[in-house]
Amino acid sequence: DTEVTQTPKHLVMGMTNKKSLKCEQHMGHRAMYWYKQKAKKPPELMFVYSYEKLSINESVPSRFSPECPNSSLLNLHLHALQPEDSALYLCASSHPRETSTDTQYFGPGTRLTVL
Amino acid sequence: GIQVEQSPPDLILQEGANSTLRCNFSDSVNNLQWFHQNPWGQLINLFYIPSGTKQNGRLSATTVATERYSLLYISSSQTTDSGVYFCAVVPIKAAGNKLTFGGGTRVLVKP
Repeated sequence: DTEVTQTPKHLVMGMTNKKSLKCEQHMGHRAMYWYKQKAKKPPELMFVYSYEKLSINESVPSRFSPECPNSSLLNLHLHALQPEDSALYLCASSHPRETSTDTQYFGPGTRLTVL
Repeated sequence: GIQVEQSPPDLILQEGANSTLRCNFSDSVNNLQWFHQNPWGQLINLFYIPSGTKQNGRLSATTVATERYSLLYISSSQTTDSGVYFCAVVPIKAAGNKLTFGGGTRVLVKP
């Protein structure tokens, strides 16, 4: 089973709201990733967690706050977002850890709209 | 950083036609993946192919690592093949599994 799940599928939020995106995998993967994809553009890496520790932060603004509470779960906490943050947010995982030769598997994404 | 270029940017096919998509990359890689992004946004793994040739049904892929390119072949295309095809790579010099995506090839298969 190579399934990564993400909730919610769609999210609309105001600039003063606080919300969270959730990602879950039960494949025993120990590396998990957040990507952001704007319309008609390729995905861009935001964060990487390896063994539940943040290993890569691609200079993402602090209004995005990742969290990895356990090996199966990855959250992205959102606060004070801007309309330009509207995008498709994709989660991925890879096995067994964050090495460059591991295949990444992606979830279906959360489509976020910031009003 | 590494540059990944895909061609053509757009492709319109009649159902049943064959096509070839290309991915050029500017540095040596030890991870190359092809994905299909469907109209709902899901990125579907097609191939993990840092070198060599693989086939899966009507799709096949070849990566010539020494010449820094990869090809994705779609044979007997179907309307369900429509979507965006991405090539993504991790350069050998990279720290960790940081995939860099090409710009994608947008494919429309007409019935």
